[in-house]
Amino acid sequence: EIVMTQSPATLSVSPGDRATLSCRASQSVTGNLAWYQQKPGQAPRLLIYDTSTRATGVPVRFSGSGSGTEFTLTISSLQSEDFAVYYCQQYHNWPPWTFGQGTKVEI
Amino acid sequence: QVQLQESGPGLVKPSETLSLTCTVSGGPISGYYWVWIRQPPGKGLEWIGYIYDNGSTDFNTSLSSRVTISEDRSKNQFSLRLSSVTAADTAVYFCARVTSRWYFDSWGQGTLVTVSS
Repeated sequence: EIVMTQSPATLSVSPGDRATLSCRASQSVTGNLAWYQQKPGQAPRLLIYDTSTRATGVPVRFSGSGSGTEFTLTISSLQSEDFAVYYCQQYHNWPPWTFGQGTKVEI
Repeated sequence: QVQLQESGPGLVKPSETLSLTCTVSGGPISGYYWVWIRQPPGKGLEWIGYIYDNGSTDFNTSLSSRVTISEDRSKNQFSLRLSSVTAADTAVYFCARVTSRWYFDSWGQGTLVTVSS
């Protein structure tokens, strides 16, 4: 099973700041990495797939990068609606699909 | 656009069986993998299992002895059964669709299931 580790657990930022979230895989997942955003009381929403491809309707301020075992989600200028928990997920070697433990982006 | 909706009891007694259904609208369930995921309160996401087109299934090894997933194509639904539940099974349960590239593109809103007597 591929273990996904996210850092930091909590990121305290201000609106307009740049946010950088990290995700590390216990073994290479090549580019098979997705990011999801989850707001309180809601289902996760697909943001990024294949490491860097934005899902339909996702603003351009969200970008993903990386390969192998190290990945990054960057939010270039945080908007109020971006405060949420973000999860990375590998789909290189499944089952099981595995998620990181999440990074909470807070004000 | 496909939409998913979970349904089922919100309260289950310890040692009993949790049963949930995911109703899919806006597209057929055939031809796709469909998954169940759960999220204990305040915690992260855990994949439970999948069902695929021809009814084939696979499960998280941590749950495999207790889990069954089935489908009803006539109703465009798939279902989860988790037996012998304990308080540790208290969670929000989500259903989701797997894309041809293997990530999850559509999710249900989730349903909270509490295990308590």
